[in-house]
Amino acid sequence: AQSVSQHNHHVILSEAASLELGCNYSYGGTVNLFWYVQYPGQHLQLLLKYFSGDPLVKGIKGFEAEFIKSKFSFNLRKPSVQWSDTAEYFCAVRSGGYQKVTFGIGTKLQVIP
Amino acid sequence: NAGVMQNPRHLVRRRGQEARLRCSPMKGHSHVYWYRQLPEEGLKFMVYLQKENIIDESGMPKERFSAEFPKEGPSILRIQQVVRGDSAAYFCASSRPGTGRENEQFFGPGTRLTVL
Repeated sequence: AQSVSQHNHHVILSEAASLELGCNYSYGGTVNLFWYVQYPGQHLQLLLKYFSGDPLVKGIKGFEAEFIKSKFSFNLRKPSVQWSDTAEYFCAVRSGGYQKVTFGIGTKLQVIP
Repeated sequence: NAGVMQNPRHLVRRRGQEARLRCSPMKGHSHVYWYRQLPEEGLKFMVYLQKENIIDESGMPKERFSAEFPKEGPSILRIQQVVRGDSAAYFCASSRPGTGRENEQFFGPGTRLTVL
């Protein structure tokens, strides 16, 4: 069974600091990888996704993620965070040919103005 | 084009009552997924349905929980005889058929169930 690990459960940053949220998954086959964001009081929104091709994926709002197959990782990055990035971030994996998406526990990001 | 609709947004039940959560998928989507988010936990897959069929219910508790997606109307997640531990946010997602890039799951706003 696939699993997803997010190592940082709660991150506090000042505005303009750089962000990197770790995500590792356990599945040896073809995977689709996602990062979702949940702003306070809102529903999940897709930030970015990786299906194939360039392992460096660019998403909305200046976020990007890099798929490193050898490390089973899909870390989320942003060079300079803003207060409006305060939210909970979920890494998710879908194994090839299968519909079920497995989510990580989530990382709560708090950006201090 | 409306997104995934869930209602009610908030539901309060007393222990032993039944809870019914509804999900209307996006237009053109025939696949529905239910997830549960317990306090301080990530989203856990519960069940995957297509019209009139349960495809994968490996995440559903064995008792008290059931789901359906009839030919007409929304998908329903039903919890009988609720207990305090059922208090959580329940999210529905929908997608088009297939597993390619175009088959992203779109999430609804969730139903927050509180059991008193």
